[in-house]
Amino acid sequence: EPEVTQTPSHQVTQMGQEVILRCVPISNHLYFYWYRQILGQKVEFLVSFYNNEISEKSEIFDDQFSVERPDGSNFTLKIRSTKLEDSAMYFCASSERSGAGNTEAFFGQGTRLTVV
Amino acid sequence: AQSVTQPDIHITVSEGASLELRCNYSYGATPYLFWYVQSPGQGLQLLLKYFSGDTLVQGIKGFEAEFKRSQSSFNLRKPSVHWSDAAEYFCAPEGTNAGKSTFGDGTTLTVKP
Repeated sequence: EPEVTQTPSHQVTQMGQEVILRCVPISNHLYFYWYRQILGQKVEFLVSFYNNEISEKSEIFDDQFSVERPDGSNFTLKIRSTKLEDSAMYFCASSERSGAGNTEAFFGQGTRLTVV
Repeated sequence: AQSVTQPDIHITVSEGASLELRCNYSYGATPYLFWYVQSPGQGLQLLLKYFSGDTLVQGIKGFEAEFKRSQSSFNLRKPSVHWSDAAEYFCAPEGTNAGKSTFGDGTTLTVKP
């Protein structure tokens, strides 16, 4: 069964460093998403991406965040200068369609980011 | 504004007992509705989904959910809980135009032997 894969599963980085989280969405999917979950809290939407541009973003997704689809298979989330409060589980998701019914987002297993 | 509420933060049931987890939403139009389960330290697994049609939907692991438009609810049920069902459960409506999900705060399920 096709799945969304995320690498690495766990990343530790020093405060102020840049980090790139990588995702390989399901191959025929066109819509891509990043969510985050701070430990013990709910899952929060960060950004959605379609046709090589951001289609929606939350207030969490400020200027230190960026997303990119550098090639035909990867979808990345970059955090430019990490802060302690960026420590969270980051989930990538993809779907065939957006808001068109009878489809859903498939989630990866997540990357746990720890900022020290 | 769109919102989702899971009123129960923590539920404890005995193994073999029935389970109902509540979810209420507030959206301009009926959203698509999803329930996810998350075991500790793990990712999100889709349990079931509702788009339209039959208001009682069946999911994996013996779970079902009923959509009630009049109550803006989508409660998750299981007739007989197993110890392996202990996990965090999230209700997540998806706006039909936005294509993204808004997750509830989650309900932690503990199963007593």
